[in-house]
Amino acid sequence: DVKVTQSSRYLVKRTGEKVFLECVQDMDHENMFWYRQDPGLGLRLIYFSYDVKMKEKGDIPEGYSVSREKKERFSLILESASTNQTSMYLCASTKRGLRGQGHTIYFGEGSWLTVV
Amino acid sequence: AQSVSQHNHHVILSEAASLELGCNYSYGGTVNLFWYVQYPGQHLQLLLKYFSGDPLVKGIKGFEAEFIKSKFSFNLRKPSVQWSDTAEYFCAVKITGGFKTIFGAGTRLFVKA
Repeated sequence: DVKVTQSSRYLVKRTGEKVFLECVQDMDHENMFWYRQDPGLGLRLIYFSYDVKMKEKGDIPEGYSVSREKKERFSLILESASTNQTSMYLCASTKRGLRGQGHTIYFGEGSWLTVV
Repeated sequence: AQSVSQHNHHVILSEAASLELGCNYSYGGTVNLFWYVQYPGQHLQLLLKYFSGDPLVKGIKGFEAEFIKSKFSFNLRKPSVQWSDTAEYFCAVKITGGFKTIFGAGTRLFVKA
């Protein structure tokens, strides 16, 4: 089974702190994603990466950055955490599809971040 | 911009009732369609998917979905729900050739025993 592992399930951080959320997948997937999940808003894409050292902005990249130094690892960074970044953060990965076809997205268990 | 709309945010049903959750998307080209489910305390997982072929697809746990291209819809159905179907359900659309999968806002289903 594909496994997507997020390093922290629950974090509490202070406003202004730098926050690192780590994600590792074990199936050699090319594509990796960071979403945030908020009630009534569904999943919103923050950033994604389709290869090592490659990154693309999603729909809500402001206040976030990412790092993909190795194929299996995709990190989300909050440079200066704010209270409106309190949310559930989901990491996900998928194979690169032939001719752009989709593949099943595999999700991690999520990281609950509270910024106080 | 492409979007995915789920018609109901909250649905409450009794066991054995039939379920239909609506999903519409806004994109005129070729798409891949998905339903994901998140059971309480668990991670999101795939329920079913449609890429091409028969527009009626069957997934796990007795769920099915029908792709109606003319209506840009991909509604999820189950003839008889169980208490264990209590979960949040997300419709998702991926545009063929792109990287992004767009998710709907989700529908929370509560099944009364």
